[in-house]
Amino acid sequence: AQSVTQPDIHITVSEGASLELRCNYSYGATPYLFWYVQSPGQGLQLLLKYFSGDTLVQGIKGFEAEFKRSQSSFNLRKPSVHWSDAAEYFCAVVGYSGGYQKVTFGIGTKLQVIP
Amino acid sequence: SAVISQKPSRDICQRGTSLTIQCQVDSQVTMMFWYRQQPGQSLTLIATANQGSEATYESGFVIDKFPISRPNLTFSTLTVSNMSPEDSSIYLCSVGQGVTDTQYFGPGTRLTVL
Repeated sequence: AQSVTQPDIHITVSEGASLELRCNYSYGATPYLFWYVQSPGQGLQLLLKYFSGDTLVQGIKGFEAEFKRSQSSFNLRKPSVHWSDAAEYFCAVVGYSGGYQKVTFGIGTKLQVIP
Repeated sequence: SAVISQKPSRDICQRGTSLTIQCQVDSQVTMMFWYRQQPGQSLTLIATANQGSEATYESGFVIDKFPISRPNLTFSTLTVSNMSPEDSSIYLCSVGQGVTDTQYFGPGTRLTVL
């Protein structure tokens, strides 16, 4: 069965610092990979997704993620964090399970940005 | 993209009662999804609701506990039946062409069962 691990439940960074949020998955082939962001009181919003092709994916709000097959990872990065980036970030994978496509979300990483 | 609203935004309910959550989309969509986000847990897909057919439930979720209606292409409801404190969660609906497509989420309904 597929699974997703986001090892960091909480991360605190200073505004202007770089950010990397970790996501590791378990799946027998290359899955579909997603990063979503959830701001307080809002629904989840897609930041970026990877299906195939270039392993470095650009998303909205200045985020990027790199798919590394050898490490089964899809880490999210941003070179300079803004206070408005404070939110919860979810990694998700989609793969086949029991003959149909199944989505699995990670537990989320809550990002705090300090001045 | 799609704009999704949910009602109610939050509720506090007594055990043994039922709550119906509404999900309204600003455009016609084929597939709607219902998720549960329990405290400290990841989002878990409850079921997929397609208009004109019965909802498809994920393992661990049953229609008697979470009946779903999908009367048209812009609206769906999820009922949480015979609630217990373990049902305290955030319930979210989303829309998309499928699970491999971008999903657009509603703001969620925060349910507390006493």
